[in-house]
Amino acid sequence: GAGVSQSPSNKVTEKGKDVELRCDPISGHTALYWYRQSLGQGLEFLIYFQGNSAPDKSGLPSDRFSAERTGGSVSTLTIQRTQQEDSAVYLCASSLGAGGPLEQYFGPGTRLTVT
Amino acid sequence: SQQGEEDPQALSIQEGENATMNCSYKTSINNLQWYRQNSGRGLVHLILIRSNEREKHSGRLRVTLDTSKKSSSLLITASRAADTASYFCATDAAGTYKYIFGTGTRLKVLA
Repeated sequence: GAGVSQSPSNKVTEKGKDVELRCDPISGHTALYWYRQSLGQGLEFLIYFQGNSAPDKSGLPSDRFSAERTGGSVSTLTIQRTQQEDSAVYLCASSLGAGGPLEQYFGPGTRLTVT
Repeated sequence: SQQGEEDPQALSIQEGENATMNCSYKTSINNLQWYRQNSGRGLVHLILIRSNEREKHSGRLRVTLDTSKKSSSLLITASRAADTASYFCATDAAGTYKYIFGTGTRLKVLA
């Protein structure tokens, strides 16, 4: 079956512009995660959605970052007024969530470059 | 701060040798997972070990968990050039499904 997909695969934007990154999780997965990975670094947790519960936003680095998940499926990560330090690969992952196997399945990522 | 920290940061070995990498974490966990990341396949789940388990095997992989020391190790036996990748541990905060990834170990297997 289809894995986690993300779009766009690459995004170049000018400083100060807003960007939207999209994630399509695996069908039936109730948990969805967003991470950020800078070049040569580990993964930085951003936000976690589980079913209809309130998301865990504790990893969002500033109020310029927001995310939503519509209908318990597709998620959009929005970065407003982008800064050069926002340049990174943004990874989305999904898992079966509460009560199921906890392995996360990752998408290929969106490489964001802010010029 | 990171929940998990891997060590060493980088490791270079010859094909056929074993590779061991370690992960330390800070708070109580429900389970710990290891992931591999390479340029070809992105991030892939390798193995999950629960807090009540001490050792787990999967093919050439062996994972141990010592909850008293808050540490885990990943052993790759008879390494291959294709094992060249970065390896990350991920731990949950007990009672949640939020996972925190470590900084990773970059493994290079020389043919």
